[in-house]
Amino acid sequence: EDKVVQSPLSLVVHEGDTVTLNCSYEVTNFRSLLWYKQEKKAPTFLFMLTSSGIEKKSGRLSSILDKKELFSILNITATQTGDSAIYLCAVDRGSTLGRLYFGRGTQLTVWP
Amino acid sequence: NAGVTQTPKFRVLKTGQSMTLLCAQDMNHEYMYWYRQDPGMGLRLIHYSVGEGTTAKGEVPDGYNVSRLKKQNFLLGLESAAPSQTSVYFCASSYLQGHQPQHFGDGTRLSIL
Repeated sequence: EDKVVQSPLSLVVHEGDTVTLNCSYEVTNFRSLLWYKQEKKAPTFLFMLTSSGIEKKSGRLSSILDKKELFSILNITATQTGDSAIYLCAVDRGSTLGRLYFGRGTQLTVWP
Repeated sequence: NAGVTQTPKFRVLKTGQSMTLLCAQDMNHEYMYWYRQDPGMGLRLIHYSVGEGTTAKGEVPDGYNVSRLKKQNFLLGLESAAPSQTSVYFCASSYLQGHQPQHFGDGTRLSIL
């Protein structure tokens, strides 16, 4: 059975801290791994990772994939209260027509 | 840019009632998806469509039906609502060509009493 496991499930930090969110997966026919940020409403796309070892970066957020060890991390440096959200990891199996398999998410809370 | 629009945003139903959730996208995406999100469960795929007139089952299809009569619209129906269907429902869409991420609507919060 395919699995996408995120850890930790929740995390509370103070502004300025650096956080690392984890996503491990066991799927057949892996195509890509995606990270989404979900605040009050719609999940919004952050990164898509297809190749090992290539870091994707956007401002204070970065992510990398390890296809040998089957995991990805999402780093957020100098956290701000606006980073408070649920961070979702999803895996695209190339054989299933764009369907995504989601982990349970990590609830990040950043205190001022 | 409207993107993916879901209606209604909130709804309360009684057990046994029926209703239809509407998803509309203006990005000319071929693929459309319906998910439900429950606390601590992440997003689970209910049904999806790879083009006008086609639909397929996802992980949790029981109790739901869908239709894709027009490319831009994807309807999710509950024929006889049950309390277990209380959830937040998200619609998403994506392109067929290339390797593109899914874009999500703002969700419909549905409570079944």
